[in-house]
Amino acid sequence: GDSVTQTEGLVTLTEGLPVMLNCTYQSTYSPFLFWYVQHLNEAPKLLLKSFTDNKRPEHQGFHATLHKSSSSFHLQKSSAQLSDSALYYCALPSDTNAYKVIFGKGTHLHVLP
Amino acid sequence: AQTIHQWPVAEIKAVGSPLSLGCTIKGKSSPNLYWYWQATGGTLQQLFYSITVGQVESVVQLNLSASRPKDDQFILSTEKLLLSHSGFYLCAWSPLGDEQYFGPGTRLTVL
Repeated sequence: GDSVTQTEGLVTLTEGLPVMLNCTYQSTYSPFLFWYVQHLNEAPKLLLKSFTDNKRPEHQGFHATLHKSSSSFHLQKSSAQLSDSALYYCALPSDTNAYKVIFGKGTHLHVLP
Repeated sequence: AQTIHQWPVAEIKAVGSPLSLGCTIKGKSSPNLYWYWQATGGTLQQLFYSITVGQVESVVQLNLSASRPKDDQFILSTEKLLLSHSGFYLCAWSPLGDEQYFGPGTRLTVL
């Protein structure tokens, strides 16, 4: 069945270090994948959406590449900022219902000064 | 530009009492609308979606119901709240059924 698996729990790193949050998925088809970011006491916001071709989406310094061979869509940033501290979700539409969205359990990123 | 508004911003309710949460979207006709629930520190759980007025589909059963009385309005309700209903309720819209654009949310505390 369709599912999303993320790096679970808390990722803590120091400002300026690179960020990589893992996301792998199971899907019968080749779906769009998404990353959402949720800052404390705010609503989630769309951060990235995968492209159907080999283009790499980028936003606010974050990027992610869809690798169909490994069923992955890892989120990366070359240099973490304090403001990147947030909860990050990977998501994809269900194989059986395009209106049903499957979210991973979320990864808390905590950036230290 | 589309704007999505939710009301109320926060609620404190007693167990067993009724609940009604609202969501309105402006600037987009016939949007796909969704309700999500998020427990404190927890993942996002999709509850309902609606692709047209008067039609609502349930994704998961949590003793809640939803209605879409107008093209731009989506209502979440229950007649009897449970402690487990506490959390953050988010309304979202989607242009095509994929990426989600969330409203500001309603924080519900059930005592």
